[in-house]
Amino acid sequence: TQLLEQSPQFLSIQEGENLTVYCNSSSVFSSLQWYRQEPGEGPVLLVTVVTGGEVKKLKRLTFQFGDARKDSSLHITAAQPGDTGLYLCAGVSGGGADGLTFGKGTHLIIQP
Amino acid sequence: DSGVTQTPKHLITATGQRVTLRCSPRSGDLSVYWYQQSLDQGLQFLIQYYNGEERAKGNILERFSAQQFPDLHSELNLSSLELGDSALYFCASRDHRGRPSFGPGTRLTVT
Repeated sequence: TQLLEQSPQFLSIQEGENLTVYCNSSSVFSSLQWYRQEPGEGPVLLVTVVTGGEVKKLKRLTFQFGDARKDSSLHITAAQPGDTGLYLCAGVSGGGADGLTFGKGTHLIIQP
Repeated sequence: DSGVTQTPKHLITATGQRVTLRCSPRSGDLSVYWYQQSLDQGLQFLIQYYNGEERAKGNILERFSAQQFPDLHSELNLSSLELGDSALYFCASRDHRGRPSFGPGTRLTVT
Protein backbone atom coordinates (compact mmCIF):
# COMPACT_ATOMS: atom_id res chain seq x y z
CA THR A 1 0.00 0.00 0.00
CA GLN A 2 1.38 3.38 -0.98
CA LEU A 3 1.30 5.93 1.82
CA LEU A 4 1.94 9.64 1.87
CA GLU A 5 3.00 11.29 5.11
CA GLN A 6 2.49 15.00 5.46
CA SER A 7 4.13 17.23 8.03
CA PRO A 8 3.46 19.17 10.03
CA GLN A 9 -0.12 18.13 10.70
CA PHE A 10 -1.00 21.57 12.05
CA LEU A 11 0.73 24.92 11.56
CA SER A 12 -0.31 28.31 12.84
CA ILE A 13 1.85 31.31 11.96
CA GLN A 14 1.61 35.08 11.70
CA GLU A 15 0.88 36.92 8.49
CA GLY A 16 4.06 37.72 6.59
CA GLU A 17 6.04 34.69 7.74
CA ASN A 18 7.38 31.99 5.45
CA LEU A 19 6.58 28.30 5.82
CA THR A 20 7.29 24.93 4.29
CA VAL A 21 5.16 21.80 4.43
CA TYR A 22 6.33 18.37 3.44
CA CYS A 23 4.96 15.29 1.75
CA ASN A 24 6.97 12.08 1.98
CA SER A 25 6.53 8.53 0.77
CA SER A 26 8.53 5.35 0.54
CA SER A 27 6.95 4.73 -2.87
CA VAL A 28 7.63 6.29 -6.25
CA PHE A 29 4.76 8.09 -7.94
CA SER A 30 4.50 9.01 -11.59
CA SER A 31 3.45 12.49 -10.50
CA LEU A 32 2.33 14.31 -7.41
CA GLN A 33 -0.41 16.85 -6.93
CA TRP A 34 -1.04 19.53 -4.31
CA TYR A 35 -4.54 20.58 -3.36
CA ARG A 36 -6.03 23.20 -1.08
CA GLN A 37 -9.31 22.50 0.66
CA GLU A 38 -11.47 24.97 2.56
CA PRO A 39 -14.12 23.95 5.09
CA GLY A 40 -17.29 22.64 3.47
CA GLU A 41 -15.74 22.43 0.02
CA GLY A 42 -13.95 19.91 -2.13
CA PRO A 43 -10.19 19.97 -2.73
CA VAL A 44 -8.99 22.32 -5.45
CA LEU A 45 -5.96 21.36 -7.50
CA LEU A 46 -3.05 23.79 -7.16
CA VAL A 47 -0.31 22.10 -9.13
CA THR A 48 0.94 18.83 -10.60
CA VAL A 49 4.66 18.01 -10.54
CA VAL A 50 5.86 15.29 -12.84
CA THR A 51 9.63 15.31 -13.24
CA GLY A 52 12.06 14.47 -10.43
CA GLY A 53 13.66 17.70 -9.22
CA GLU A 54 10.95 19.83 -10.81
CA VAL A 55 10.15 23.19 -9.25
CA LYS A 56 6.93 25.04 -9.99
CA LYS A 57 5.90 28.47 -8.78
CA LEU A 58 2.38 29.77 -8.34
CA LYS A 59 2.65 33.37 -7.14
CA ARG A 60 3.92 33.07 -3.54
CA LEU A 61 3.75 29.27 -3.56
CA THR A 62 6.74 27.16 -4.63
CA PHE A 63 6.34 23.42 -5.17
CA GLN A 64 9.23 21.00 -5.48
CA PHE A 65 9.26 17.33 -6.45
CA GLY A 66 12.10 15.26 -5.05
CA ASP A 67 14.72 13.84 -7.39
CA ALA A 68 13.55 10.29 -6.65
CA ARG A 69 9.87 11.25 -7.09
CA LYS A 70 9.05 10.08 -3.57
CA ASP A 71 8.69 13.39 -1.79
CA SER A 72 7.57 16.94 -2.33
CA SER A 73 7.45 20.25 -0.53
CA LEU A 74 5.32 23.35 -0.63
CA HIS A 75 6.88 26.65 0.40
CA ILE A 76 4.76 29.74 0.98
CA THR A 77 6.44 33.13 1.09
CA ALA A 78 4.94 36.00 3.05
CA ALA A 79 1.87 34.04 4.08
CA GLN A 80 -1.47 35.81 4.08
CA PRO A 81 -4.72 35.02 5.94
CA GLY A 82 -6.22 33.95 2.61
CA ASP A 83 -3.72 31.08 2.51
CA THR A 84 -5.49 29.47 5.47
CA GLY A 85 -6.78 26.01 4.63
CA LEU A 86 -6.02 22.30 4.47
CA TYR A 87 -3.16 21.50 2.09
CA LEU A 88 -3.21 17.99 0.69
CA CYS A 89 -0.66 16.16 -1.40
CA ALA A 90 -1.75 13.29 -3.60
CA GLY A 91 0.27 10.72 -5.46
CA VAL A 92 -0.66 9.63 -8.96
CA SER A 93 0.15 6.04 -9.81
CA GLY A 94 1.43 5.04 -13.21
CA GLY A 95 -1.16 5.30 -15.95
CA GLY A 96 -3.43 7.52 -13.89
CA ALA A 97 -6.27 5.04 -14.08
CA ASP A 98 -6.38 4.46 -10.36
CA GLY A 99 -7.58 6.92 -7.80
CA LEU A 100 -5.27 9.32 -6.06
CA THR A 101 -3.46 8.40 -2.86
CA PHE A 102 -3.82 11.34 -0.49
CA GLY A 103 -1.85 12.36 2.54
CA LYS A 104 -3.82 13.41 5.61
CA GLY A 105 -2.97 17.03 5.00
CA THR A 106 -1.51 20.03 6.76
CA HIS A 107 -3.97 22.34 8.49
CA LEU A 108 -2.55 25.83 7.98
CA ILE A 109 -3.78 28.90 9.85
CA ILE A 110 -2.39 32.32 9.02
CA GLN A 111 -3.17 34.81 11.74
CA PRO A 112 -3.49 38.49 10.84
CA ASP B 1 -17.48 26.41 -9.46
CA SER B 2 -15.84 23.03 -10.17
CA GLY B 3 -18.54 21.92 -12.57
CA VAL B 4 -19.12 18.76 -10.53
CA THR B 5 -22.44 18.62 -8.71
CA GLN B 6 -23.33 16.43 -5.77
CA THR B 7 -26.63 15.87 -3.99
CA PRO B 8 -27.65 15.97 -1.27
CA LYS B 9 -25.28 18.33 0.52
CA HIS B 10 -26.17 16.91 3.92
CA LEU B 11 -27.70 13.60 4.91
CA ILE B 12 -28.60 12.37 8.38
CA THR B 13 -29.73 8.80 8.82
CA ALA B 14 -29.77 5.99 11.34
CA THR B 15 -27.59 2.93 11.67
CA GLY B 16 -28.68 0.02 9.51
CA GLN B 17 -30.21 2.25 6.86
CA ARG B 18 -29.32 2.62 3.19
CA VAL B 19 -28.62 5.86 1.35
CA THR B 20 -27.80 6.92 -2.20
CA LEU B 21 -25.45 9.77 -3.04
CA ARG B 22 -25.56 11.32 -6.48
CA CYS B 23 -22.91 12.97 -8.61
CA SER B 24 -22.90 14.64 -12.01
CA PRO B 25 -19.43 15.06 -13.49
CA ARG B 26 -18.09 18.18 -15.15
CA SER B 27 -19.47 18.55 -18.67
CA GLY B 28 -17.46 16.46 -21.09
CA ASP B 29 -15.71 14.36 -18.44
CA LEU B 30 -16.17 10.60 -18.75
CA SER B 31 -14.44 9.55 -15.51
CA VAL B 32 -16.02 9.67 -12.08
CA TYR B 33 -14.16 8.97 -8.86
CA TRP B 34 -15.64 8.58 -5.38
CA TYR B 35 -13.70 9.45 -2.24
CA GLN B 36 -14.45 9.27 1.46
CA GLN B 37 -12.97 11.86 3.83
CA SER B 38 -12.96 11.25 7.58
CA LEU B 39 -11.00 12.90 10.35
CA ASP B 40 -8.93 9.83 11.17
CA GLN B 41 -8.39 8.36 7.70
CA GLY B 42 -8.19 11.46 5.56
CA LEU B 43 -9.27 11.31 1.91
CA GLN B 44 -9.51 7.75 0.65
CA PHE B 45 -10.22 6.57 -2.86
CA LEU B 46 -13.25 4.30 -3.10
CA ILE B 47 -14.00 3.54 -6.73
CA GLN B 48 -13.64 4.85 -10.28
CA TYR B 49 -15.94 4.62 -13.29
CA TYR B 50 -15.13 5.50 -16.87
CA ASN B 51 -17.90 5.89 -19.41
CA GLY B 52 -20.22 3.60 -17.52
CA GLU B 53 -17.76 0.87 -16.62
CA GLU B 54 -15.93 0.23 -13.37
CA ARG B 55 -12.25 1.03 -13.87
CA ALA B 56 -10.59 0.76 -10.47
CA LYS B 57 -11.42 -0.06 -6.87
CA GLY B 58 -9.86 1.34 -3.77
CA ASN B 59 -10.81 0.93 -0.12
CA ILE B 60 -14.48 0.39 -0.79
CA LEU B 61 -16.44 -1.77 1.65
CA GLU B 62 -18.64 -4.60 0.40
CA ARG B 63 -21.63 -2.72 1.88
CA PHE B 64 -20.95 0.07 -0.59
CA SER B 65 -21.58 -0.03 -4.32
CA ALA B 66 -21.64 2.42 -7.16
CA GLN B 67 -22.65 2.73 -10.77
CA GLN B 68 -22.38 5.18 -13.62
CA PHE B 69 -25.34 5.68 -15.91
CA PRO B 70 -25.46 6.34 -19.68
CA ASP B 71 -25.83 10.07 -19.04
CA LEU B 72 -22.57 9.77 -17.05
CA HIS B 73 -24.02 10.69 -13.68
CA SER B 74 -23.00 8.34 -10.90
CA GLU B 75 -24.57 7.06 -7.71
CA LEU B 76 -22.85 5.72 -4.61
CA ASN B 77 -25.02 3.37 -2.56
CA LEU B 78 -24.18 2.85 1.10
CA SER B 79 -26.08 0.13 2.96
CA SER B 80 -26.25 -1.30 6.49
CA LEU B 81 -24.84 1.98 7.65
CA GLU B 82 -22.64 2.12 10.74
CA LEU B 83 -21.61 5.05 12.90
CA GLY B 84 -18.14 4.84 11.38
CA ASP B 85 -19.51 5.56 7.93
CA SER B 86 -20.14 9.16 8.97
CA ALA B 87 -17.88 11.19 6.71
CA LEU B 88 -17.69 13.54 3.78
CA TYR B 89 -18.13 11.80 0.45
CA PHE B 90 -16.63 13.50 -2.57
CA CYS B 91 -17.10 12.85 -6.22
CA ALA B 92 -14.48 13.97 -8.73
CA SER B 93 -14.21 13.86 -12.49
CA ARG B 94 -11.21 14.11 -14.78
CA ASP B 95 -10.92 15.58 -18.23
CA HIS B 96 -9.03 14.03 -21.15
CA ARG B 97 -5.83 15.70 -19.95
CA GLY B 98 -6.19 14.15 -16.52
CA ARG B 99 -7.09 17.38 -14.76
CA PRO B 100 -9.36 16.58 -11.79
CA SER B 101 -12.27 18.54 -10.42
CA PHE B 102 -13.90 17.75 -7.11
CA GLY B 103 -17.51 18.32 -6.20
CA PRO B 104 -18.60 20.09 -3.00
CA GLY B 105 -19.23 16.80 -1.22
CA THR B 106 -22.05 15.17 0.70
CA ARG B 107 -21.78 15.19 4.47
CA LEU B 108 -23.22 11.94 5.81
CA THR B 109 -24.07 11.65 9.49
CA VAL B 110 -25.11 8.25 10.82
CA THR B 111 -26.78 8.35 14.24
